[in-house]
Amino acid sequence: KNEVEQSPQNLTAQEGEFITINCSYSVGISALHWLQQHPGGGIVSLFMLSSGKKKHGRLIATINIQEKHSSLHITASHPRDSAVYICATSGGGLTFGKGTHLIIQP
Amino acid sequence: DAGITQSPRHKVTETGTPVTLRCHQTENHRYMYWYRQDPGHGLRLIHYSYGVKDTDKGEVSDGYSVSRSKTEDFLLTLESATSSQTSVYFCAISDTGSRGDTQYFGPGTRLTVL
Repeated sequence: KNEVEQSPQNLTAQEGEFITINCSYSVGISALHWLQQHPGGGIVSLFMLSSGKKKHGRLIATINIQEKHSSLHITASHPRDSAVYICATSGGGLTFGKGTHLIIQP
Repeated sequence: DAGITQSPRHKVTETGTPVTLRCHQTENHRYMYWYRQDPGHGLRLIHYSYGVKDTDKGEVSDGYSVSRSKTEDFLLTLESATSSQTSVYFCAISDTGSRGDTQYFGPGTRLTVL
């Protein structure tokens, strides 16, 4: 069973700061997902990656397969980025980390 | 947005009663999943389906059954609801399977078992 660990659990930052959320997993995977969940509950897929790096707007996701580690970065953070960010690994359904609760203060 | 709906969106029921949650998709995706989300546990897989009448268990399948008689519908049944099944339930779909394929989530169903 894959164990997925995220850090930090909670993060409060000021608008404009560079944000990093980390995810590590215990078993080799085919793909890793980053998801976003806003208050009110909707879950949106941000990235799916199996190697290297992906960028979408101010969001960047990286993965190191050898080290079983992924990071999600947010550049020039904004209060609308406040949400729970969840990483998950693929394999017969997703296995999720417990999420990082991010608050960006104006 | 992927066409996924869940019904009901909210339900309050009593211990021991049967409950069925429905997930409906208009994307013709082959794979469908049921997850539950609880504080302190995050999201966990209950059951998934890889085609009509093809289903498999997930991490927390005890007390739940599923059925998929049509591509577009995936039903989750709690035969006799318990308070430990109070949770938010999410359905998700993917096209080619869980390996390296984006999953799209429904809006969720909040279930309270009294």
